[in-house]
Amino acid sequence: DAGVTQSPTHLIKTRGQQVTLRCSPKSGHDTVSWYQQALGQGPQFIFQYYEEEERQRGNFPDRFSGHQFPNYSSELNVNALLLGDSALYLCASSKQKQLQETQYFGPGTRLLVL
Amino acid sequence: SQQGEEDPQALSIQEGENATMNCSYKTSINNLQWYRQNSGRGLVHLILIRSNEREKHSGRLRVTLDTSKKSSSLLITASRAADTASYFCATPYTGANSKLTFGKGITLSVRP
Repeated sequence: DAGVTQSPTHLIKTRGQQVTLRCSPKSGHDTVSWYQQALGQGPQFIFQYYEEEERQRGNFPDRFSGHQFPNYSSELNVNALLLGDSALYLCASSKQKQLQETQYFGPGTRLLVL
Repeated sequence: SQQGEEDPQALSIQEGENATMNCSYKTSINNLQWYRQNSGRGLVHLILIRSNEREKHSGRLRVTLDTSKKSSSLLITASRAADTASYFCATPYTGANSKLTFGKGITLSVRP
């Protein structure tokens, strides 16, 4: 049973560029959440997708957008990259009916913006 | 906002010793979860304790929850070098909003 997978593992971009990160949830899960983790900090919630719609959103600007596909996989898009967007981006999956329960995290994508 | 705040921020112990980490939060919760993160990689779920539970065990892990003090502790017994990692407590928002709120984490170093 494959866990949560994310791609790519590392990414280097320059300011102003756009980036797309990808996530495949754990088998049987239908809900995907994205978190941003800056160095030395805890993860911060970006948004959550269920049934191909954004259901919840954290305190992040509109430059951060996402998508969920019919197979439950998800993408995180960040436009007009800033140096401060450099972070580890984590994807977590869960079941909609068990939202309060354990979330399963992927290995993350480390983004460096130069 | 609900937020787990862990202390100490860093902990260094000798292999074989016990490690105790604490977490405080601000508002009522359904459950509290502890996660481990190795070297800036993904988070691994360790244990979940519900608001109506006071103590829970999983292998070498023991978690307590005191809802009156809005605090939790994670005890790792007989620590190993492989336990070296960052540890986070997290609380999901109550109701339909399930986002996890994390603290800054505790960096545990276990010396061989």
